[in-house]
This record gives sequence, structure tokens and C-alpha cells, in this order.
Amino acid sequence: NAGVIQTPRHKVTGKGQEATLWCEPISGHSAVFWYRQTIVQGLEFLTYFRNQAPIDDSGMPKERFSAQMPNQSHSTLKIQSTQPQDSAVYLCASSQKEVFFGKGTRLTVV
Amino acid sequence: GDSVTQTEGQVALSEEDFLTIHCNYSASGYPTLFWYVQYPGEGPQLLFRASRDKEKGSSRGFEATYDKGTTSFHLRKASVQESDSAVYYCALSDPLGYKLTFGTGTSLLVDP
Repeated sequence: NAGVIQTPRHKVTGKGQEATLWCEPISGHSAVFWYRQTIVQGLEFLTYFRNQAPIDDSGMPKERFSAQMPNQSHSTLKIQSTQPQDSAVYLCASSQKEVFFGKGTRLTVV
Repeated sequence: GDSVTQTEGQVALSEEDFLTIHCNYSASGYPTLFWYVQYPGEGPQLLFRASRDKEKGSSRGFEATYDKGTTSFHLRKASVQESDSAVYYCALSDPLGYKLTFGTGTSLLVDP
């Protein structure tokens, strides 16, 4: 069991570019989550899928952020027109009962 | 909305010292409470959880007791080791059991 796999581990984008972050949940887990971690805001919930269906995206910024789960083996978080304030560690997690987090993708917008 | 408060931002101890990290919560209903630990370059890992009043969670020598009266879930360890150096997060889950609300985290540094 390799755990939750997130790629890339580090991504640097220029302001205004698009960033796509990938997550492979643990096989058999029905729930997938995205969180954002920053020094200032700490760990913030973004969105949640169950059995690939979007259930709760109440933490997602209304503009520029979108998440999808096209199949049970991966989810993506896309940020359009990235801004410096989007710089953060984006964590994906999956769960059947216990929540397991990936190592995160550190996004830096320059 | 739900919230979790950790009063200590940083704690510095020596090996074999006693550890307390305070956690208080505000939530409607009866949330499940968690302690997570995060090491550099890793995601948070579950230390343990508790779901009902007076329930004690424990793992690796750490423990905390769910106290609904004082809305607290303080983390304690009798004798810390250098390997315990990490960031510790108190968290709660909403009544539906999926969305985690985290405290601001406490960075623990243990000197050998």
C-alpha cells in the first residue's frame, strides 16, 4: 500500500498560468478530500467526493478553482490564472473509515 | 461554525519532560475529536480519536480525554522523546463525519 499519491510534489507556476494537481487515492477508498495548508490559514477543507460524486465543495474559492474525479483511481484540482496568494501546500486525502493524507503538492506562484 | 482552538503555537521541552497541549472546541451536536501529527514533508497522520464524552484516546504514549463539559480534548504525554518533535493538530469532524476542522497546530521541539 503506497498510500495516497500526489503528483507533482512541487510545482512552480508564473502568475496567470494554470496549475493542475493530481491525486491517486488508496485503492478501495470511497471518499476523497482536498485540503489547503498555509502558514497563515492553517489546514482548510476545500472539497469532498464520495464514490466519485462531488458532495461538498463549500471550501473551494468560487473563482478559478475546480476539482474533478473522473474515475475511482484519481482526482485533480485545477487552479486557473494562478495568483501569488494561491501558493500553499495542497493535500489530498482518502478514507474508508480513517482519513489518510498524501504528502501534498507544494505550489509556488511567482 | 465549528472551530478548534490550540493555545500553544510552539512548545520546547527536553527529553523525559511532561507534555500538555491544550485543545478546546466549539461545535453543535456531538463531534468526533482527533489528534493528528505532521512531520516535515508529510501529510497529517491520525494519532487517535474519541467520539463520546469521557472517552480516552491514546497512541504511542500520547493520550487525551473527550470532555464535553469543558469542551476540551487536551493532549498529554508523560515523557517525551526527541522523535516526538513534530506539529500536532487537534481536529473535529462535522456530524456527517467527513469534513475535518483543524486547530492552528502546535509545533513541538524536544531537545535530546
